[in-house]
Amino acid sequence: EAGVVQSPRYKIIEKKQPVAFWCNPISGHNTLYWYLQNLGQGPELLIRYENEEAVDDSQLPKDRFSAERLKGVDSTLKIQPAELGDSAVYLCASSLDRPRTGVGTGELFFGEGSRLTVL
Amino acid sequence: SQQGEEDPQALSIQEGENATMNCSYKTSINNLQWYRQNSGRGLVHLILIRSNEREKHSGRLRVTLDTSKKSSSLLITASRAADTASYFCATSRGGTYKYIFGTGTRLKVLA
Repeated sequence: EAGVVQSPRYKIIEKKQPVAFWCNPISGHNTLYWYLQNLGQGPELLIRYENEEAVDDSQLPKDRFSAERLKGVDSTLKIQPAELGDSAVYLCASSLDRPRTGVGTGELFFGEGSRLTVL
Repeated sequence: SQQGEEDPQALSIQEGENATMNCSYKTSINNLQWYRQNSGRGLVHLILIRSNEREKHSGRLRVTLDTSKKSSSLLITASRAADTASYFCATSRGGTYKYIFGTGTRLKVLA
């Protein structure tokens, strides 16, 4: 079974340029997460989806970040314009959790991440 | 913002020794999980312990949870060089599936 797939793995851009990251979760996983991880730190939640609905985006900087999960499968995270401080690893994770029914294993499956460098 | 803090931040041991790392958190939780992250890779789930459990084992891993102290510990017995990685705890609060990660412990196992 394929795991969570993210692309690109690495991206280097100039500040003020736009960038987009793509995530394909494990088939059947209806909950999808985007996390940001700074060097030497733990992942910080940006946004959480249940199917196509963003149920928690309170920590997403909405002035420059946007995300979508059309059809409740793949997801994209976009930054426009990028700033120097956005340099980090962007991690996507999915799970079988179904919060509305209280069903879930609690286990998150992570992709390898997309490492962004803003110059 | 980070819910948990791991302690120590870094740990270096010899192969064969046991490694213990701790996680403290701030609010009441549904469950607590431990993840491993090898350098440059994604996180891998190790073990989950629910708020009504006190101890759990999985292979060479032993996790304890003390909800009165809002803390958990992860013990890796008979460590191997391949255990070299960063270890993170993650908690979810009651009724939510929002997982908040700690700051991590960087473990180095010397061969």
